[in-house]
Amino acid sequence: KAGVTQTPRYLIKTRGQQVTLSCSPISGHRSVSWYQQTPGQGLQFLFEYFSETQRNKGNFPGRFSGRQFSNSRSEMNVSTLELGDSALYLCASSLAFRDSQETQYFGPGTRLLVL
Amino acid sequence: AQSVTQLDSQVPVFEEAPVELRCNYSSSVSVYLFWYVQYPNQGLQLLLKYLSGSTLVKGINGFEAEFNKSQTSFHLRKPSVHISDTAEYFCAVSDNAGGTSYGKLTFGQGTILTVHP
Repeated sequence: KAGVTQTPRYLIKTRGQQVTLSCSPISGHRSVSWYQQTPGQGLQFLFEYFSETQRNKGNFPGRFSGRQFSNSRSEMNVSTLELGDSALYLCASSLAFRDSQETQYFGPGTRLLVL
Repeated sequence: AQSVTQLDSQVPVFEEAPVELRCNYSSSVSVYLFWYVQYPNQGLQLLLKYLSGSTLVKGINGFEAEFNKSQTSFHLRKPSVHISDTAEYFCAVSDNAGGTSYGKLTFGQGTILTVHP
């Protein structure tokens, strides 16, 4: 079975621009979570989608948004980029048919650099 | 709310020596516990998990962890490490409270394990 895939793997943007990252979950997985990883703040939860609905959201500003499609693929968007948005963005998928004990499987991440 | 503390930010060890990476958590509800490993420029790979049952959990690559509810700990151990175990290790928790726990893992700050020849 193919793992979680994320595109693009690397991205360079300038302040004020917007960016869209894509995540394809493992086949059959219906939940997709997004995380931001930075050296200073570590791994932080952004949001989670299940059946095209956002079920949970972390403490990030409204510039960070996402969506999920009917095939469970997910995108996240960051508008008006700031230097502090430079990070590794990780996507994780799980079956999610039974609450939070479902194991999350992570993709390789998208490394975003904001100049 | 939950929190996870990994007590050591860096652990150097010689090849074939044993290692323990420490993790403590805080939560007002029952939790599920995970250890993930991250190799340079890669995502996170699941090493092992505790959901219920036996408190000693075995994972991949010879790692094991023990859940201690009274001490709220979930330390990771390996009896003999290899050079290839050099990586960053993350302890994580999720809870079964529903609602705000959906799809959310709370991570520790990570422990960098460096195995020296």
